[in-house]
Amino acid sequence: AQKVTQAQTEISVVEKEDVTLDCVYETRDTTYYLFWYKQPPSGELVFLIRRNSFDEQNEISGRYSWNFQKSTSSFNFTITASQVVDSAVYFCALSGGSSNTGKLIFGQGTTLQVKP
Amino acid sequence: EPEVTQTPSHQVTQMGQEVILRCVPISNHLYFYWYRQILGQKVEFLVSFYNNEISEKSEIFDDQFSVERPDGSNFTLKIRSTKLEDSAMYFCASSEQGGSYTEAFFGQGTRLTVV
Repeated sequence: AQKVTQAQTEISVVEKEDVTLDCVYETRDTTYYLFWYKQPPSGELVFLIRRNSFDEQNEISGRYSWNFQKSTSSFNFTITASQVVDSAVYFCALSGGSSNTGKLIFGQGTTLQVKP
Repeated sequence: EPEVTQTPSHQVTQMGQEVILRCVPISNHLYFYWYRQILGQKVEFLVSFYNNEISEKSEIFDDQFSVERPDGSNFTLKIRSTKLEDSAMYFCASSEQGGSYTEAFFGQGTRLTVV
């Protein structure tokens, strides 16, 4: 069965601190995709990144970076120099090869609060 | 920028009533989804839809739920006889392609409150 675990329920940091959000996944598929979505207080789900299981290169996009490690089944997300606008719930999600319909399995989410 | 739009943003209904949640996916997208999020919990998959039929559904998506694409632009979720536990945020999503590699774009959600 596929599963995504985000062990951190809530994280609180002060602006300009770096913060890492953890994500651990379980799947039997050899081909799968991992995603991060952001849910700001307004409620919508905003796509941040997609990663396939064959590409373990880390990725950096501005203040955001992602560390994918297949050996530990982890796909962690780091925000550098956090800002108040980063305050949101962040969801890690998995889409597996055996389910070719695009279904996403979400983790429980991590609430990030960035204080000024 | 094209977006998925959902109406209404908030719906209050009495237990046992039927509700229809509406979504307009991004125009060139072919794959459509419904998810729900009970307050404070994770987002859960309900159903995926392609080529006018359900391609996958979860255990949550029982006989009281149905989906339809009535006119080529709207995508609806009907809950036949609502229960208190159906209270949740319902998200519609669409993607250009199907499969695991595609990113889905989500609407802003409809908050359903069953009283």
